[in-house]
Amino acid sequence: GQNIDQPTEMTATEGAIVQINCTYQTSGFNGLFWYQQHAGEAPTFLSYNVLDGLEEKGRFSSFLSRSKGYSYLLLKELQMKDSASYLCAVSSFTGGFKTIFGAGTRLFVKA
Amino acid sequence: GAVVSQHPSWVICKSGTSVKIECRSLDFQATTMFWYRQFPKQSLMLMATSNEGSKATYEQGVEKDKFLINHASLTLSTLTVTSAHPEDSSFYICSARPTTRAGELFFGEGSRLTVL
Repeated sequence: GQNIDQPTEMTATEGAIVQINCTYQTSGFNGLFWYQQHAGEAPTFLSYNVLDGLEEKGRFSSFLSRSKGYSYLLLKELQMKDSASYLCAVSSFTGGFKTIFGAGTRLFVKA
Repeated sequence: GAVVSQHPSWVICKSGTSVKIECRSLDFQATTMFWYRQFPKQSLMLMATSNEGSKATYEQGVEKDKFLINHASLTLSTLTVTSAHPEDSSFYICSARPTTRAGELFFGEGSRLTVL
């Protein structure tokens, strides 16, 4: 089966940098997603990593190490609107193509 | 970007009735769509994988007779919650995987179901 772990909550200060880690165990790995979700809304896509390394997209960057089963999402120049849940999701081909989500990390950005 | 439309956004129904939720990919074809449910302050739980033209694949613990899934075309999947009960109240979200971009997944806006 799959196992995805990420911290439950994090708090950071406006303007700072925060790193949200995600570790996973799966077979048939087909990529790792990061999504942002505000309360009561559907998740919105942030990043997709299928190869090792860092993907940068504006204030958001995502890193993947397949050999370590590890990823992180880096948020720079934090803004109050970044307060949300950040979901790590892993896609695999095992038992058919599916994407399983971690429990999510609730990020609180304070002034 | 790819758009997935989910309808209705909100639905309130009486216990014992059935509710249908539609998920449409508006500008791409999706061989595979996924249905998730999310309880307050919890993550998304995969309920089933919907494959166009074939039976859905349900995750362990999900009752296939209660949550009927139909994927009749490459752009539409429906989830019907049959004989709904208050414990079925949840946020249901669909996602679609484009046929031509296998690594990507796009989400609908979600449907909040409240069963009285």
